[in-house]
Amino acid sequence: DVQLVESGGNLVQPGGSLRLSCAASGFTLSSYWMHWVRQVPGKGLVWVSYINTDGSRTDYADSVKGRFTISRDNAKSTIYLQMNSLRVEDTAVYYCARDGIDSRPIDSWGQGTLVSVSS
Amino acid sequence: DIQMTQSPSTLSASVGDRVTISCRASQSVGTYLAWYQQKPGKGPNLLIYHASILESGVPSRFSGNGFGTEFTLTISNLQPDDFATYYCQQYDGCRPFGQGTKVEIK
Repeated sequence: DVQLVESGGNLVQPGGSLRLSCAASGFTLSSYWMHWVRQVPGKGLVWVSYINTDGSRTDYADSVKGRFTISRDNAKSTIYLQMNSLRVEDTAVYYCARDGIDSRPIDSWGQGTLVSVSS
Repeated sequence: DIQMTQSPSTLSASVGDRVTISCRASQSVGTYLAWYQQKPGKGPNLLIYHASILESGVPSRFSGNGFGTEFTLTISNLQPDDFATYYCQQYDGCRPFGQGTKVEIK
């Protein structure tokens, strides 16, 4: 079974940094594009970033561009989200998600990890 | 960047009803449009991709339609398990979601 397990969420002060990890199992990570999506509890889904299979192509939502960096280590079956210059409005549950094959959209999600930015 | 707009934000309906949710893209996305269902405390569940293709295991009462900038998700014969929040998402490049439509019990 496909499993995506996020970790690294925590309480951090504004301006601080955090690195999220997503451990993948049950499939070959190197074959799939991966994403981070966030959601403030009780609010809507917000796409954050994607990375292609070998890490050569990434993109970000305007709200995080220049502050967040997505990366992957296919040998460790893990993707990462480095979050710098955190703002109160970055507070959310962060989900790791996997694209489907053959140009299909996201078809698998992790359980999420909570990032709280507060002084 | 492409923006996705859903309507309505909330929809009140009864078991057995037919309901339709709309999604509009700010520019053409062809058929790169997906629909997801999310229940409280859970991750989203893919219902439809390529605008109209039902994901494996999804009941046939769900259907999708549209091309370019205008899309719809229809649930016929609404069941108790269908009361949830629904999101559209375009997936050609960046992946913005619509703001969501909550289907609640009338």
